[in-house]
Amino acid sequence: NAGVTQTPKFQVLKTGQSMTLQCAQDMNHEYMSWYRQDPGMGLRLIHYSVGAGITDQGEVPNGYNVSRSTTEDFPLRLLSAAPSQTSVYFCASSEGGLYYEQYFGPGTRLTVT
Amino acid sequence: AQKITQTQPGMFVQEKEAVTLDCTYDTSDQSYGLFWYKQPSSGEMIFLIYQGSYDEQNATEGRYSLNFQKARKSANLVISASQLGDSAMYFCAMREPLLTGGGNKLTFGTGTQLKVEL
Repeated sequence: NAGVTQTPKFQVLKTGQSMTLQCAQDMNHEYMSWYRQDPGMGLRLIHYSVGAGITDQGEVPNGYNVSRSTTEDFPLRLLSAAPSQTSVYFCASSEGGLYYEQYFGPGTRLTVT
Repeated sequence: AQKITQTQPGMFVQEKEAVTLDCTYDTSDQSYGLFWYKQPSSGEMIFLIYQGSYDEQNATEGRYSLNFQKARKSANLVISASQLGDSAMYFCAMREPLLTGGGNKLTFGTGTQLKVEL
């Protein structure tokens, strides 16, 4: 069981470039989400999905797109990178209820110059 | 208003001693889950322990226990017999329904940096 995997681990982008952060899980979880972690602010929810074909916005969705074509994969797309998107990005998966822990991937450290 | 408050930005504890990391939360929901995660310097988020809002007994998981006081809205993490490997950032989080849509989210506190000393 690989759990939740993310690629790449590190990425540097120039302002205006686009890219996709990959996330995959092998636990057959319906619920997947993307968070960003900024210094002193904890983690904040960007987008989430309750199953294949269903996605919705979290707290800080602007500048990001997601899709969920399979249960396993949940990529996050940065449309036109901005320095404010410099952050560490975590993908998580879990069962859908309030009483289940979320399992996190190792994170992607993104720098936008 | 902060949904999750961790008032201790940094804590020191001697090896083999117990330490309590504070967490208070704010919600009007009756159903929610409370979680603690550990983030070592390597950056990954490691799940430690969970408490459901309807659980009457405090959760325990090895050296970790969660001191849940529902009326006070607190969910403090107690680590017994601290080890050097416990040095890390610790986050308290609450899983609660989103205001719109059918999902839920984890709301995190700002964390407590724990340093275990010899």
